Amino acid sequence: GAGVSQSPRYKVAKRGQDVALRCDPISGHVSLFWYQQALGQGPEFLTYFQNEAQLDKSGLPSDRFFAERPEGSVSTLKIQRTQQEDSAVYLCASSLELGFTNEKLFFGSGTQLSVL
Amino acid sequence: RKEVEQDPGPFNVPEGATVAFNCTYSNSASQSFFWYRQDCRKEPKLLMSVYSSGNEDGRFTAQLNRASQYISLLIRDSKLSDSATYLCVVNTGTDKLIFGTGTRLQVFP
Repeated sequence: GAGVSQSPRYKVAKRGQDVALRCDPISGHVSLFWYQQALGQGPEFLTYFQNEAQLDKSGLPSDRFFAERPEGSVSTLKIQRTQQEDSAVYLCASSLELGFTNEKLFFGSGTQLSVL
Repeated sequence: RKEVEQDPGPFNVPEGATVAFNCTYSNSASQSFFWYRQDCRKEPKLLMSVYSSGNEDGRFTAQLNRASQYISLLIRDSKLSDSATYLCVVNTGTDKLIFGTGTRLQVFP
C-alpha cells in the first residue's frame, strides 16, 4: 500500500476483554515499531521488530501485552484482559531499515483504544 | 529522569514571530536526532533530521549541542499553519527511537 495502515481506527473494549490491533507496514520496510500515546503525551516506545525478529520489547507495560510479526510484514499487538489505563492511541511505524542513519519513520493513523 | 525532555508549552506566538524550542537527552551515546511534527489527532511526521553541523530547511533551523546534550529547533516568520506539537526524537544508540513529550506551538493572527 501507499502508507502504513492500522486497523481498527477506533476500538472500544470492556475492561477484561482481549483486543488485537493490526499494523500493515509499507511494503519492503524492514523495521516496525509500536508506540503508545496517551492524551497530551509523546509516543512511548513499546516494541521493535526487524523483519520477524522482535529485537526489543522493553517498553511493553506488562505481560498482558504481546506483539508479533510472524512473516516479517504485518504485525499484531495483542492486549489481554484490558484495563482502563490501557486507553490510549496505539501507533505503528515502519522504516526501510534502521541503524545509525537518519532514517525516516512512517506512522500509521493509529488505533484509538478506549477501555470502559 | 526521562531520556528525552521537552518543555510542553504551550508557546503562544503571533504570526511572523521567531520561536525556539529546546530538547535535552540523557544518553550520551545517542547517535541521531530528529524533530517530528504532530497535528491534533494526527500521526507524527518527520519535520527534519538534526545534523552535528546544524541544518536549515526554509524557515526551520535545527542545531545539536553534544557537549550539553541538547537539540534545538528555531522557527522564523511563524505561520498559522505552524501550529502543532513538535516532538524531539533521539536514537539512543540501540536502534530505539525515543520521543519527548512534545512542545505545543500555537500561532495566532
